[in-house]
Amino acid sequence: SQQGEEDPQALSIQEGENATMNCSYKTSINNLQWYRQNSGRGLVHLILIRSNEREKHSGRLRVTLDTSKKSSSLLITASRAADTASYFCATAGSAGGFKTIFGAGTRLFVKA
Amino acid sequence: EAGVVQSPRYKIIEKKQPVAFWCNPISGHNTLYWYRQNLGQGPELLIRYENEEAVDDSQLPKDRFSAERLKGVDSTLKIQPAELGDSAVYLCASSLALGGSYNEQFFGPGTRLTVL
Repeated sequence: SQQGEEDPQALSIQEGENATMNCSYKTSINNLQWYRQNSGRGLVHLILIRSNEREKHSGRLRVTLDTSKKSSSLLITASRAADTASYFCATAGSAGGFKTIFGAGTRLFVKA
Repeated sequence: EAGVVQSPRYKIIEKKQPVAFWCNPISGHNTLYWYRQNLGQGPELLIRYENEEAVDDSQLPKDRFSAERLKGVDSTLKIQPAELGDSAVYLCASSLALGGSYNEQFFGPGTRLTVL
């Protein structure tokens, strides 16, 4: 079973636009991570946000976490064709023995 | 620094045959994970090792799957016998886990298994 659920399942935008992906989860967490997967590079860690943090930035990425709503969002600003990939949120917490659980992902397509 | 190494990258076998996957984690990483990823889905954890101890194998189908991590470094995942439903990408990842707080995982390229 997978805890994180990403929304939307697929997203198509023009280069230069912003892309927002959301993740909802069910149980309490220690941290939430976002990963990117494309055919060229496999799964790559993007950013980790801990349960006591509300927002985090890394380059063109902005992640927010709302533990009261059990949700997170990933914003990619000024998207590029190279951002085309699947994006997964992964939750880690004491529920389930600190297991990291991945969602089904959002497929982002950035048109040049 | 070398990343997580997996072999083979691709494997095609007939059902009921055995198959094995090998993983070499990043040097110094004490935690190793095996995941299975079906098409269009996220990775699902099969087993997690801390050093040489399997600390979470609740999702491993133990009737046909086995894993080992000798000396707390390399790991092997085996399926015997393989079934059609085992077709998937098998991913290995490693991390430097401290206490109960798990940090980023570094993934290998995966082994794409096709069972005919």
